Amino acid sequence: DSGVTQTPKHLITATGQRVTLRCSPRSGDLSVYWYQQSLDQGLQFLIQYYNGEERAKGNILERFSAQQFPDLHSELNLSSLELGDSALYFCASSVAGVSTGELFFGEGSRLTVL
Amino acid sequence: AQSVTQPDIHITVSEGASLELRCNYSYGATPYLFWYVQSPGQGLQLLLKYFSGDTLVQGIKGFEAEFKRSQSSFNLRKPSVHWSDAAEYFCAVGPKAAGNKLTFGGGTRVLVKP
Repeated sequence: DSGVTQTPKHLITATGQRVTLRCSPRSGDLSVYWYQQSLDQGLQFLIQYYNGEERAKGNILERFSAQQFPDLHSELNLSSLELGDSALYFCASSVAGVSTGELFFGEGSRLTVL
Repeated sequence: AQSVTQPDIHITVSEGASLELRCNYSYGATPYLFWYVQSPGQGLQLLLKYFSGDTLVQGIKGFEAEFKRSQSSFNLRKPSVHWSDAAEYFCAVGPKAAGNKLTFGGGTRVLVKP
């Protein structure tokens, strides 16, 4: 158990819909990262938040947005969903304020868009 | 831009045999280097990491990896594979500068034959 909690574990929705994925980081971790894992793209970094502020942005679509709340949990919002958005979305967290590079991953939220 | 290449998409190995997974990276300087393992239906778990110092690093589950600067490689090895080692393995690089964003390779899926 990494200590990172993601909900929901599975989600099935239709094209054009909007979903929200939630992540609770390990206790004490200030950084949260979102990754998308798909068969054709592999593991792609989407976005990072540190203590409520956006810190780094990767290959995140404009239809996607994220935020980190004062209690440090994070949400990834995916809107106007397309079939190609079907993927496993991982949240990870890291030790607060230390560039150890070690990320602790949740078990992921599997999104299926029909 | 940094990149990570794992040349082998699939590897099949017999239980008890040795295993070596290849990883090559492209980066402006020596980055932090990591190997993660993803068991079916699970998140990613850190096996080992290299920051500096001894180029042979030991990890969990009997794995080790060797950093070779001249070859820009960080290959993962295990002397004797167990059936429970069947999983997908990811090599990753991260910057030594502030920030913990990791870039992952495409992964190598390991199948263990009895």
